Amino acid sequence: DIQMTQSPSSLSASIGDRVTMSCRAGQHINRFLNWYQQKPGKAPNFLISAASSVQSAVPSRFSASGSGTDFTLTISSLQPEDFATYYCQQSYVPPYTFGLGTSLEIK
Amino acid sequence: QVQLQESGPGLVKPSQTLSLTCTVSGGSISSDDYYWTWIRQHPGKGLEWVGYISHTGDTYFTPSLRGRVTTSLDTSKKQFSLNLTSVTAADTAVYFCARTKSDWRYFDFWGQGILVTVSS
Repeated sequence: DIQMTQSPSSLSASIGDRVTMSCRAGQHINRFLNWYQQKPGKAPNFLISAASSVQSAVPSRFSASGSGTDFTLTISSLQPEDFATYYCQQSYVPPYTFGLGTSLEIK
Repeated sequence: QVQLQESGPGLVKPSQTLSLTCTVSGGSISSDDYYWTWIRQHPGKGLEWVGYISHTGDTYFTPSLRGRVTTSLDTSKKQFSLNLTSVTAADTAVYFCARTKSDWRYFDFWGQGILVTVSS
């Protein structure tokens, strides 16, 4: 299985801050990396596919980049609704493993 | 808008079989463009991919559950199912069904999730 490592595991930030979180794959996965946002008690919400392709309904403050083994998700100006846990997921080869998540909390 | 809805018992006894159904609405379940996936989340933990089924019946499961897990697809009812045998407390989790785009394998639509507790 490909191990996905997210850092930091938690992050405190304020409204309007720019935040970046990381995801590292245990082996090369090209651009087969997807990002999800999950709020407590809810299903994950799909944000980004293929490392950097932001879905149409996702606000433009979200961006992502990376290839190979190292990937990042950036939120340019935090809004109250962005406080959640973010998961990366590799889709290069099954089993399609997730990272343990980055919990984004209000400072 | 595609919607998925899980259904099934919320409580299963140890050693018995966990059986869940996911009903799909608002889109085709027979398209080559998608797989149909189960994902679970242990309480307070991260997400674990369980496996998928394609509309042709091809399946793939995570190795840790292989041998205990099966899935099937009923295109006439627009449903797919999950069966997990010989359950233990370690199988207590919220189970999500999700649609998977077959090219980049991302999960674009999810059910709300169903909590299944394994307890006597």
